[in-house]
Amino acid sequence: GQNIDQPTEMTATEGAIVQINCTYQTSGFNGLFWYQQHAGEAPTFLSYNVLDGLEEKGRFSSFLSRSKGYSYLLLKELQMKDSASYLCAVRVPGTYKYIFGTGTRLKVLA
Amino acid sequence: EAGVTQFPSHSVIEKGQTVTLRCDPISGHDNLYWYRRVMGKEIKFLLHFVKESKQDESGMPNNRFLAERTGGTYSTLKVQPAELEDSGVYFCASSQLGQVYSYEQYFGPGTRLTVT
Repeated sequence: GQNIDQPTEMTATEGAIVQINCTYQTSGFNGLFWYQQHAGEAPTFLSYNVLDGLEEKGRFSSFLSRSKGYSYLLLKELQMKDSASYLCAVRVPGTYKYIFGTGTRLKVLA
Repeated sequence: EAGVTQFPSHSVIEKGQTVTLRCDPISGHDNLYWYRRVMGKEIKFLLHFVKESKQDESGMPNNRFLAERTGGTYSTLKVQPAELEDSGVYFCASSQLGQVYSYEQYFGPGTRLTVT
């Protein structure tokens, strides 16, 4: 079967660092994507990992361990505007389609 | 550059009626996808077009759903007749066509469909 797990909700303080975990059990793997979605808006691309290790992009970093079926998204210097849902998605090999997790709703408090 | 647009943003219809959703992908994107999110659940893949051809429609729930992409530009998703369980947010996404699998998908804001 295909399964992607993320925490449902997280809360953090402005200026802090937060790590959002994602574990996956899928019949194959061809890349992991993180998207940010503000309420009522389109999911927007944040990062892509296909090899093990850390990818850094400004305040956001994403890590992947394929052997553990594990990824995390690290958000540094949190801002109020980072309050959103964060979606983890795995691409199915041989296709372009994504399998999504249910998303993690992050609340950033002042 | 304009992003992926979807119309309408909201639709409320009665069970048994027909609804047609429209998606305009980013210009030049040959890949077009439809996804659906039912309340409280994850976003699920419905189908994938490459230009005007259906590449993968493994996620289409049943034959009440018909997707088209005539001319390889915009796409429509028709639900006929609509059932209560069809309620949800329907997302469209597009991406470039090529050998580079790192091409991310660009999503539209979604159409919120409510069937009463």
